Amino acid sequence: LAKTTQPISMDSYEGQEVNITCSHNNIATNDYITWYQQFPSQGPRFIIQGYKTKVTNEVASLFIPADRKSSTLSLPRVSLSDTAVYYCLVGDGAIIQGAQKLVFGQGTRLTINP
Amino acid sequence: NAGVTQTPKFQVLKTGQSMTLQCAQDMNHNSMYWYRQDPGMGLRLIYYSASEGTTDKGEVPNGYNVSRLNKREFSLRLESAAPSQTSVYFCAGGSSGRYNEQFFGPGTRLTVL
Repeated sequence: LAKTTQPISMDSYEGQEVNITCSHNNIATNDYITWYQQFPSQGPRFIIQGYKTKVTNEVASLFIPADRKSSTLSLPRVSLSDTAVYYCLVGDGAIIQGAQKLVFGQGTRLTINP
Repeated sequence: NAGVTQTPKFQVLKTGQSMTLQCAQDMNHNSMYWYRQDPGMGLRLIYYSASEGTTDKGEVPNGYNVSRLNKREFSLRLESAAPSQTSVYFCAGGSSGRYNEQFFGPGTRLTVL
């Protein structure tokens, strides 16, 4: 799976929009970009996935430029409950013998302050 | 519909002791996974099972064994625990409906003294 680089930590305040950028210079043509969220003392949770341009769901938006070498996770109007670690993963999701191996980096530790 | 469940939630072992971490899912996933997460780090894959009756090594399999007895259950065994195995262990089930989507259990926090 392609290697990703993202900031180790970020701080913001309630009500602000937070953008977390992930760099994936070696992304392959078939690769999708997937973001997971992990709250303290919980397992990671899938939040959004995209291939190109923009994807939006009820939790976040994902912006992917034309060259796909980076992506930005956007969290609108954050609250204290958005404090978590956010992981960017890149891969084609290929099911090899029935399994998909995910590679998690260190993620970005986002802290939302009152 | 409980999703992915893990037992126990917490465990303290002495060096050399053995134990089995249990994982069960009711989401009808074919694939299941065991990860470990050390403090401040991302998750690392220990073992996975693509389907009932099959298992394969992941990134860090040494010191562990697994068993996939049926579609629902995937257990992780530590035969002789070592302090280096102190970690939080997560089990996950894999979705076949979306790329790179897995559903994680709440984790087991293991301390080896």
